[in-house]
Amino acid sequence: ETGVTQTPRHLVMGMTNKKSLKCEQHLGHNAMYWYKQSAKKPLELMFVYSLEERVENNSVPSRFSPECPNSSHLFLHLHTLQPEDSALYLCASSQDDPSIRGTDTQYFGPGTRLTVL
Amino acid sequence: GQNIDQPTEMTATEGAIVQINCTYQTSGFNGLFWYQQHAGEAPTFLSYNVLDGLEEKGRFSSFLSRSKGYSYLLLKELQMKDSASYLCAVMDSNYQLIWGAGTKLIIKP
Repeated sequence: ETGVTQTPRHLVMGMTNKKSLKCEQHLGHNAMYWYKQSAKKPLELMFVYSLEERVENNSVPSRFSPECPNSSHLFLHLHTLQPEDSALYLCASSQDDPSIRGTDTQYFGPGTRLTVL
Repeated sequence: GQNIDQPTEMTATEGAIVQINCTYQTSGFNGLFWYQQHAGEAPTFLSYNVLDGLEEKGRFSSFLSRSKGYSYLLLKELQMKDSASYLCAVMDSNYQLIWGAGTKLIIKP
């Protein structure tokens, strides 16, 4: 599935830097997601957007700031991160928010491997 | 709390069959997903079960028993390219996906 792209694929940043992760989906979907994947741990849902409105925020620290300018693009703005934030950040999309249609398959991008020094 | 359990790692031989189990305890149930994730790549959708029974899709099959909170993914005629992590996820009553930590499958010649 190549319908979801993410840039950059790798990012190394210091704790005082500001950077942004970008996600773009070419599937015509209405819902987009940010996940954090750490080694040997379950995927952690960070944010959910449906029709460009945030519908879920799972108690994520404010140093992570999402932005969804339209239904095809999703950003994750990063600032003053901590070393424990180093992980793979995955973007996903689905046709709709599953609460609308009962369930919905999510399609993932390849992720951004983030290292915080 | 909500919990998904699956083995951390499994090893199997090329050409053989392997079964990856997943047990879950969630607040409600709106379906169970299996995803495959090769190292450094995106998780890709394999299967979705919402009713009890076996769903077959080529070399891969997925089984669900809602009363037992149990699913398995069956991979037949294993190929080297099947070496990957397999993620089990359950959609709960709030339509949120609860994920397992994944099972790393190693295929040996």
